[in-house]
Amino acid sequence: EDQVTQSPEALRLQEGESSSLNCSYTVSGLRGLFWYRQDPGKGPEFLFTLYSAGEEKEKERLKATLTKKESFLHITAPKPEDSATYLCAVIIQGAQKLVFGQGTRLTINP
Amino acid sequence: EAGVAQSPRYKIIEKRQSVAFWCNPISGHATLYWYQQILGQGPKLLIQFQNNGVVDDSQLPKDRFSAERLKGVDSTLKIQPAKLEDSAVYLCASSPELWRAFFGQGTRLTVV
Repeated sequence: EDQVTQSPEALRLQEGESSSLNCSYTVSGLRGLFWYRQDPGKGPEFLFTLYSAGEEKEKERLKATLTKKESFLHITAPKPEDSATYLCAVIIQGAQKLVFGQGTRLTINP
Repeated sequence: EAGVAQSPRYKIIEKRQSVAFWCNPISGHATLYWYQQILGQGPKLLIQFQNNGVVDDSQLPKDRFSAERLKGVDSTLKIQPAKLEDSAVYLCASSPELWRAFFGQGTRLTVV
């Protein structure tokens, strides 16, 4: 069965303390992996798409990387405004739908 | 560019009642999705439209949920009758090409 698992479920950091969020997937064939950010009371907001192992994308303090089994979202010197839930989703071969992980709730303390 | 519009933002109903949600996607987006997000979980796809046609509704509880997309634009999602476990946020999303989805703010449904 195709699965997407994110870890940790929750992460609390001090402002400026860099860390990484993990998204591991067990799918029959990956067509693409997406990262979204979700603020409380709002819909997910698109961040990145990764298509092949070794690919990297960057946006401000965030960098997403992809291997054959997992993706990491690295956050460098985070600020309180980076606090949100980060969702990972995959598209698998033969399907046309996004399958989401359960998310990582990130809190950055000032 | 206007985003995906959803209404209402919040709805409280009693179990066994019916409820409907409305979604207006971004202009020109052919693909429209309805997701259910239970508190603390990731979104789960309920139904996906490509223009007027249904692409995937494998996880839609068809005995109580229904959805339609009129003229390939607006869409409505209906629940009848509602159960307590239907309490969730219902997210509508649209995309200009498959998969890169833009989400609305969602409708928070509470069934009591």
